[in-house]
Amino acid sequence: EPEVTQTPSHQVTQMGQEVILRCVPISNHLYFYWYRQILGQKVEFLVSFYNNEISEKSEIFDDQFSVERPDGSNFTLKIRSTKLEDSAMYFCASRRSDSPYNEQFFGPGTRLTVL
Amino acid sequence: DQQVKQNSPSLSVQEGRISILNCDYTNSMFDYFLWYKKYPAEGPTFLISISSIKDKNEDGRFTVFLNKSAKHLSLHIVPSQPGDSAVYFCAASAYNTDKLIFGTGTRLQVFP
Repeated sequence: EPEVTQTPSHQVTQMGQEVILRCVPISNHLYFYWYRQILGQKVEFLVSFYNNEISEKSEIFDDQFSVERPDGSNFTLKIRSTKLEDSAMYFCASRRSDSPYNEQFFGPGTRLTVL
Repeated sequence: DQQVKQNSPSLSVQEGRISILNCDYTNSMFDYFLWYKKYPAEGPTFLISISSIKDKNEDGRFTVFLNKSAKHLSLHIVPSQPGDSAVYFCAASAYNTDKLIFGTGTRLQVFP
């Protein structure tokens, strides 16, 4: 069964450094998302992406964040200058264009630790 | 953001019995409701969904019930199996957005 994959599984970085989290969505999906879950908190929406454009973003997704689909398979989340509070699990998700109820399929996540 | 609430942080059920997980929401604009299961160190796995025009949806051992007037949904798992032990999240979205709003999760433990 096709699945969303994410790399790396764990990323440790110093505060102020740039990180790029990578995702390969399910191949016939056209809508892509990033969510994050800070330890002990809810899963929170960050951004949605369709047709090479951001379609919606949350208040969390400020100028330090960007997303890109550099080729036909990868979908990336970049954090330009990481802060301690960016430490979280970051989940990529995708869905088909004809999903009736907004069913999004999630990857295994990248644990980002900012020191 | 308290739009989706799961008031029971944990639930323990004997194998073979029914598990009932509950979820309440406050936003009347929500149209789609989903349940996800999550194991440690994995991402949420989609289980079942329902739209606001229905009150029940079944898929194998999983049934989701929606009570719009009470702004309440529940997930029934029958019969429960030890492999069902995980954290269960409900999520909701409105018709004009893809953004899923998640609850805090309920940890289900199914014991033999």
